[in-house]
Amino acid sequence: DIVMTQSPDSLAVSQGERATINCKSSQSVLYSSNNKNYLAWYQQKPGHPPKLLIYWASTRESGVPDRFSGSGSGTDFTLTISSLQAEDVAVYYCQQYYSTPFTFGPGTKVDMK
Amino acid sequence: QVQLQESGPGLVKPSETLSLTCSVSGGSVNSGTYYWSWIRQPPGKGLEWIGYIYYSGSTNYNPSLKSRVIISVETSKNQFSLKLSSVTAADTAVYYCARSVSPRPGWSNWFDPWGQGTLVTVSS
Repeated sequence: DIVMTQSPDSLAVSQGERATINCKSSQSVLYSSNNKNYLAWYQQKPGHPPKLLIYWASTRESGVPDRFSGSGSGTDFTLTISSLQAEDVAVYYCQQYYSTPFTFGPGTKVDMK
Repeated sequence: QVQLQESGPGLVKPSETLSLTCSVSGGSVNSGTYYWSWIRQPPGKGLEWIGYIYYSGSTNYNPSLKSRVIISVETSKNQFSLKLSSVTAADTAVYYCARSVSPRPGWSNWFDPWGQGTLVTVSS
C-alpha cells in the first residue's frame, strides 16, 4: 500500500495570510507514461463529505477559488491557500489514486488565528 | 448533475452484517465510464477506501477488509450496495459512496461526487 502522510497535523492562520499543507507519499505517484501525478486534494467541513479541490496534483476543480493551488511531483506535494478566508476553515486531505488500495493522508486541520 | 445518496440501518449489532445502498440520480451506474466506491470515516478520524465496483460487476477491494466485504451493483434500480460482515465496534463510521472516472480499464481517478454519508454504529 502507498502510505500518505501530511504535515502539519493542524495549523492556525490569520485571515488573509497563507496556509501551506504538505503531503508525502511512500512511493512515487507519478506515472511516467503520461507524466501525471495521481494525487488529489479534498476539503472537509464538519458534517459534510469531502469536497474535491485539486486533481492531477495541481489542476483546480471547476468552481474552486483560485486562492487554492496544488504543487509538487513524485512523492512530495503541497496545497497552498494563498489568502485564508473564514470559509476555508476545514480539514484537508490528500489522496493517491495511482494504485489500489487508494489511500488518504491523515488530514490537516486549518483554523483561523 | 449526478447525485449519490446512502441508505441503510444506522445501528448494527456486533458480529452481524452491515448493509448499505447507494442510490444514484442524474446519471447511470450502467456506464463504462465510472467506478462506484464505498469509503468510510470513523468518528473524528480519517478516510478509508473500502472498494469499488464497475457496471459489469467487477470489483476491487481494500485488502484490509477484503475477507468481509461484498460490493454489488443493481443496474435496474440504478444502485450499488455494500455488505460488511462480522462487524465490530471498529466498523463504526460514516460510510460514503462516491464516483470516480475510469479513463481506461483498471484505472480510476479521483472521487467526485460523494454522497452525504450515513453513520453506522455497531453496538449491542
